[in-house]
Amino acid sequence: AQSVAQPEDQVNVAEGNPLTVKCTYSVSGNPYLFWYVQYPNRGLQFLLKYITGDNLVKGSYGFEAEFNKSQTSFHLKKPSALVSDSALYFCAVRDGGATNKLIFGTGTLLAVQP
Amino acid sequence: DAGVTQSPTHLIKTRGQQVTLRCSPISGHKSVSWYQQVLGQGPQFIFQYYEKEERGRGNFPDRFSARQFPNYSSELNVNALLLGDSALYLCASSLVGPGGTEAFFGQGTRLTVV
Repeated sequence: AQSVAQPEDQVNVAEGNPLTVKCTYSVSGNPYLFWYVQYPNRGLQFLLKYITGDNLVKGSYGFEAEFNKSQTSFHLKKPSALVSDSALYFCAVRDGGATNKLIFGTGTLLAVQP
Repeated sequence: DAGVTQSPTHLIKTRGQQVTLRCSPISGHKSVSWYQQVLGQGPQFIFQYYEKEERGRGNFPDRFSARQFPNYSSELNVNALLLGDSALYLCASSLVGPGGTEAFFGQGTRLTVV
């Protein structure tokens, strides 16, 4: 069965510093991986995806993610954090069955201190 | 362009009652999925509909049902509400059905069962 794991419940970083939010996956076959962000009392906003191709994927708001097949990881990164990046981040993998349902991790709360 | 719209945004119901949640997908999107997000957890897949047919169902009881209309909008119905049904219900639309790429989410309906 497909699954993703987000090992950190919370990540704290100072504004201007680089940030990393970790995600590891377990899939059979080629993974379709996604990152979403959720602000308080809001739905999920799509950030970026990896389907195939370059291991470094660029997304919205200056975020990028690095796909590492040998480590089965898909970490979200940003070179310089902003206070406005503070939110809940979800990694997801697309199920390989008849649907294109997403299987989400438990989420990582990113707190950027000014 | 309008994104995915859901109504109502908030709802309070009593145990044993029934509720209907509504979703309008992005124009041109024929696939709609429903997710339940309990506080502190990642979203869990409930249903996927494509071209008005159910394409997938998550591990939810038969009290949960859904349908998709000819204009691709969708309704999620939950009967005999339990306290544990309190959650944020998210609707997502995507451009194609099984085999598609990213899903775009609405702002969600916050259901509180008392």
